[in-house]
Amino acid sequence: IAGITQAPTSQILAAGRRMTLRCTQDMRHNAMYWYRQDLGLGLRLIHYSNTAGTTGKGEVPDGYSVSRANTDDFPLTLASAVPSQTSVYFCASSENRGHATGELFFGEGSRLTVL
Amino acid sequence: GQNIDQPTEMTATEGAIVQINCTYQTSGFNGLFWYQQHAGEAPTFLSYNVLDGLEEKGRFSSFLSRSKGYSYLLLKELQMKDSASYLCAVIGGDYKLSFGAGTTVTVRA
Repeated sequence: IAGITQAPTSQILAAGRRMTLRCTQDMRHNAMYWYRQDLGLGLRLIHYSNTAGTTGKGEVPDGYSVSRANTDDFPLTLASAVPSQTSVYFCASSENRGHATGELFFGEGSRLTVL
Repeated sequence: GQNIDQPTEMTATEGAIVQINCTYQTSGFNGLFWYQQHAGEAPTFLSYNVLDGLEEKGRFSSFLSRSKGYSYLLLKELQMKDSASYLCAVIGGDYKLSFGAGTTVTVRA
């Protein structure tokens, strides 16, 4: 089934370690996003990319970086993980640039625990 | 910034109707989404409103009043599988999408 694939689905990580969450979509969507979801706070946008080769900062970008070398892949990197980055991370995509005109399609999530 | 409020939890009986309210205060407005999220799963799209009024889609309907900064999601003929979190999300004037914290609906037999 076409869609968005995230990896890993779950990871326990020591504080200070580097971690990359992978996201791949096969729908040829222009825009991709990374959200974190925490209890009581809802989904918060970390970084986004409106098209291959461009990225932008969301609501909570500190401690995270992204790249968009091609249409399909949008990895999220934690350079030096801290316990406050313990969360469930969702990758999403939309057909159109930006949020305004397209519904979001979400991956199944990556549960990250930083100890 | 955006401020989106929705109740934390709601409980209803199978076969009943539940209305989930969402109020928002945003700098500009370019649309409102409702998503459904079952526990441990990804959110999935339910509805999109950009003009005032009611959008009906099967058992689910969504209403928008832009002047009041208000929307609701109406779930009719509730089924056990409707137990989930329902997320209200607003596109502000900067075309960024912001989510509310979600409303957890529990359907009881």
